[in-house]
Amino acid sequence: DIQMTQSPSSLSASVGDRVTITCQASQSISSFLNWYQQKPGKAPKLLIYAASGLLSGVPSRFSGSGSGTHFTLTISSLQPEDFATYYCQQSFSTPRAFGQGTRLEIK
Amino acid sequence: QVQLQESGPGLVKPSETLSLTCTVSGGSISNYYWSWIRQPPGKGLEWIGYIYNSGSTDYNPSLKSRLTISVDTSKNQFSLELSSVTAADTAVYYCARERILYSDSSGSQAHPFDIWGQGTLVTVSS
Repeated sequence: DIQMTQSPSSLSASVGDRVTITCQASQSISSFLNWYQQKPGKAPKLLIYAASGLLSGVPSRFSGSGSGTHFTLTISSLQPEDFATYYCQQSFSTPRAFGQGTRLEIK
Repeated sequence: QVQLQESGPGLVKPSETLSLTCTVSGGSISNYYWSWIRQPPGKGLEWIGYIYNSGSTDYNPSLKSRLTISVDTSKNQFSLELSSVTAADTAVYYCARERILYSDSSGSQAHPFDIWGQGTLVTVSS
């Protein structure tokens, strides 16, 4: 089974900051990597698919990159609505697997 | 637009079977993979398994011995049954659609969960 490891587990930042979250796969997953945002009490929302594809309607301040085993999610200028938990997920093989999450908090 | 809605008991006794149904509205259940995903309180996301409209399934090995996922295309629904539950099965259970998407910039494909239900909390307790 493929394991997904995110870092950091939590992150404090201010509005306007640029932040980067990292996700590492235990083996190569090509570009089969997706990113989700989850707010308390809500279902996760898809932001980025295929490592770098921005879902329609998602603000352009979100971007993803990487391939193989190392991936990043970058938010170029944090907005108040971006404070949430972010998960990466591999769709290269089953069982599908998520990272443990990165909680982004207001500094 | 396609929407998903989970339904089922919010409380299940230990050793009994947890049963949930996901109703797909606004679109057809055909030609997609449909997953169940759960999230214990305060914890991360765990993929449970998926079903295709043909009835073919794939399950998380950690749950496979207790798990059945089925589909009723006539009702546009798919269902989850998890037997012999314990307190460790207490979680918010989500249903989700898996879709093939291609990145415009790289041409790469992936199979993200693009639509999710709102989730339903199932508590295992006597």
